[in-house]
This record gives sequence, structure tokens and C-alpha cells, in this order.
Amino acid sequence: GQNIDQPTEMTATEGAIVQINCTYQTSGFNGLFWYQQHAGEAPTFLSYNVLDGLEEKGRFSSFLSRSKGYSYLLLKELQMKDSASYLCAVRDGDYKLSFGAGTTVTVRA
Amino acid sequence: GAVVSQHPSWVICKSGTSVKIECRSLDFQATTMFWYRQFPKQSLMLMATSNEGSKATYEQGVEKDKFLINHASLTLSTLTVTSAHPEDSSFYICSVSQGAGGPNEQFFGPGTRLTVL
Repeated sequence: GQNIDQPTEMTATEGAIVQINCTYQTSGFNGLFWYQQHAGEAPTFLSYNVLDGLEEKGRFSSFLSRSKGYSYLLLKELQMKDSASYLCAVRDGDYKLSFGAGTTVTVRA
Repeated sequence: GAVVSQHPSWVICKSGTSVKIECRSLDFQATTMFWYRQFPKQSLMLMATSNEGSKATYEQGVEKDKFLINHASLTLSTLTVTSAHPEDSSFYICSVSQGAGGPNEQFFGPGTRLTVL
């Protein structure tokens, strides 16, 4: 089966930076995704990495190291609305998505 | 990106009854849709892959006779939870993908909250 690990919770102050780490072990690899999910809502797409390196998208950046089975999502200039759960998901050799349990980020004023 | 709707957004039913959840791709013809289940404070778990015009592919441990999936058209897939029990209470989410490879991410519907009494 797939094994995707990320921290359960993180807390940060408005305006700060938070880094959410994700490690994975999957059968095959066809890309890693980060999604944001607010309570009771569907996940929304944030980023995609398939090659090693950093992808930057406004306040959000995502990094991938395939050899280490490691990714992180960096959230800069945190805003209150960024309080949500962040899901790391890996697309495996069968092009199915497997999700981590999610990291709940709480932004404090 | 694709726009996906689900109906109903929430449903409460008695134990033993069946519940049908619809998933529609509003602006994209989807040959493949996915059904996930999410229990409180847990992540999404893939239940099955819904294939237009053919049988769904179920993940290990998901009872195909309990969770009936029909994908009769390129824009509609339905999930029927048969003889629902309280342990089936969960958040059910469908998704569509515009392709298998590349950055073609999955687009998720708003979810259906099922509560079985």
C-alpha cells in the first residue's frame, strides 16, 4: 500500500511563514499534489510537482525530492484565511491519488 | 479547471435504507470519475474509479455490492449506498480528472455529508 506522512497540526502567526513536510513511499510515482481543504468542503488544488525542485505560485511554493521521497509546502505571508487542512497527495504508477492524513494549520493574529 | 457538482449536499437517513448521491461534471466530459470517502479528521480514501459505459473499479476492502456505482453518461456518475448503517456515515466526495498524466489534477465536487441514524 501507499504510505504518506505529514504532521497533524501546525500553528503560526499572521504574516509568518510555515513549512509543511510530507514524506511518501508509493508504488510508482507520477506526481505529487498539494490541496487545501476547509472544514466540510472539498479540497482545492494548490500545486503540482513531478520533477525535483521548487515550484513557486504566489505566496505558496512546493518542493520535491524524488530520491528522498520528500516534499514540502511553504506558505508565506500567512493570512487568517489560510487556516485550513493541507493535504499531500501522490499519484502512483496506476495514476491513482493517495492522500496523507492532512496537516491542520491554524493562523493566529 | 473542471466544475463538479454533487447532489445532495447532505442527507440523513434511517438505518437499512438506500441513498443515491449524484456527481456531475458541468463543463467537461469525463470518461473517468473517482469516489472518495472521508471520515472526520481523516484523509480522503479512494473507494472506486467510475468508468463511463463500463463497470467501476473498486479499491481493496470496498464492497461493490454495497456501494453501487453507475456512470451512464460522460457527465454523470452516481453512488448508491445500499442498506446504509451508521458506520457508513461519512463525507463522500467525487472528482474528475482531465487526463491521466501531466499536471492534470483532480477537481473535486463539494461533497455529500451522509448521516445514518
